[in-house]
Amino acid sequence: GNSVTQMEGPVTLSEEAFLTINCTYTATGYPSLFWYVQYPGEGLQLLLKATKADDKGSNKGFEATYRKETTSFHLEKGSVQVSDSAVYFCALLFSGGYNKLIFGAGTRLAVHP
Amino acid sequence: GAVVSQHPSRVICKSGTSVKIECRSLDFQATTMFWYRQFPKQSLMLMATSNEGSKATYEQGVEKDKFLINHASLTLSTLTVTSAHPEDSSFYICSARDRGQGTNSPLHFGNGTRLTVT
Repeated sequence: GNSVTQMEGPVTLSEEAFLTINCTYTATGYPSLFWYVQYPGEGLQLLLKATKADDKGSNKGFEATYRKETTSFHLEKGSVQVSDSAVYFCALLFSGGYNKLIFGAGTRLAVHP
Repeated sequence: GAVVSQHPSRVICKSGTSVKIECRSLDFQATTMFWYRQFPKQSLMLMATSNEGSKATYEQGVEKDKFLINHASLTLSTLTVTSAHPEDSSFYICSARDRGQGTNSPLHFGNGTRLTVT
């Protein structure tokens, strides 16, 4: 079946540290991949996306590359800020039926000054 | 950008009563909307897919008679939690896809509704 696996959190970093949040997926066909971010008490916001192999999504200093050979879509940022503290969800768009979005478990990031 | 408005943001109700949550796409039309449930510190669980003008499609294990979904227009879907019980307390989030952007386009999410059943 289709699924997304994320590294467990919480991830705790100091400001300006390098961030990596691992995400791997299992899917039939060629899914689109997304990273969403959820700030406390809010819904989800799309952070970035990639629709085919070797695509790199980027936004607000965050990047992720769609790696078909390793079925991965790891999220990276070179220098995190306190305002990046949130929960990050990796998601897969399952192309079947109504094109449902399947989420990973989420990874909580806490950035300290 | 595309905005999805969810209302109310918080609701407290007594056990046995029903609660309606609204999800509106403000600046786009949505043929399909999705309802998710999120438990504390956990991921989003898809409950059902709401389709404009037709019956919702429920995920396995979700009680359709308890979680009534109505998608009466291209900009509004409602989720009614009927005869709510404390175990229904959760964070409910809706999302919508812009019908003008294709079936692989990203979903736009509402800010969620925190339901507490006492």
